[in-house]
Amino acid sequence: DGGITQSPKYLFRKEGQNVTLSCEQNLNHDAMYWYRQDPGQGLRLIYYSQIVNDFQKGDIAEGYSVSREKKESFPLTVTSAQKNPTAFYLCASSILTGEYNSPLHFGNGTRLTVT
Amino acid sequence: GENVEQHLSTLSVQEGDSAVIKCTYSDSASNYFPWYKQELGKGPQLIIDIRSNVGEKKDQRIAVTLNKTAKHFSLHITETQPEDSAVYFCAANTDKLSFGAGTTVTVRA
Repeated sequence: DGGITQSPKYLFRKEGQNVTLSCEQNLNHDAMYWYRQDPGQGLRLIYYSQIVNDFQKGDIAEGYSVSREKKESFPLTVTSAQKNPTAFYLCASSILTGEYNSPLHFGNGTRLTVT
Repeated sequence: GENVEQHLSTLSVQEGDSAVIKCTYSDSASNYFPWYKQELGKGPQLIIDIRSNVGEKKDQRIAVTLNKTAKHFSLHITETQPEDSAVYFCAANTDKLSFGAGTTVTVRA
């Protein structure tokens, strides 16, 4: 089955530690995205990548970093600089169009809790 | 950038009744309007989308309407069932996809 796999489903970290969230897709999609979801705030874009070895900041990139060394993989690192890291993180992918009008396919998310 | 407002944060309906969720957008250049359904503990799934060259699209019990002049679009669910209970997100595109804050729909048996 084609899809997006996020791991782990739940992640617990102590404040001050960096943590990396995994995202793998086998849909052969060029574009990949990371969103953060907080209650009552919808989905906010952290980073996105349209091609290997290239990525762009979204609306809330501060305190996060990404890499795109392979087409299938787009890991997100939540650094200690992120002031409020506890959230539900969603990875998505899509085919690449020129007008951002193709459907996003989401993984089932990673819930990160930092104490 | 695009600003998408989803007007209802919660909606409770009796099973069998219809549910309507409305969203407004700010950028007249937006041309793609998807709706996503998110069940508890899962990622959102696309349920229907519409492009700016049509005014309405239906898929079984689900329909989406678009009013470009007023810059709003709505999700219509008819004959609601318990499995329709979920959070629904609207979105609109400009340089990227912008999401509304979500509507939690509860279908009462």
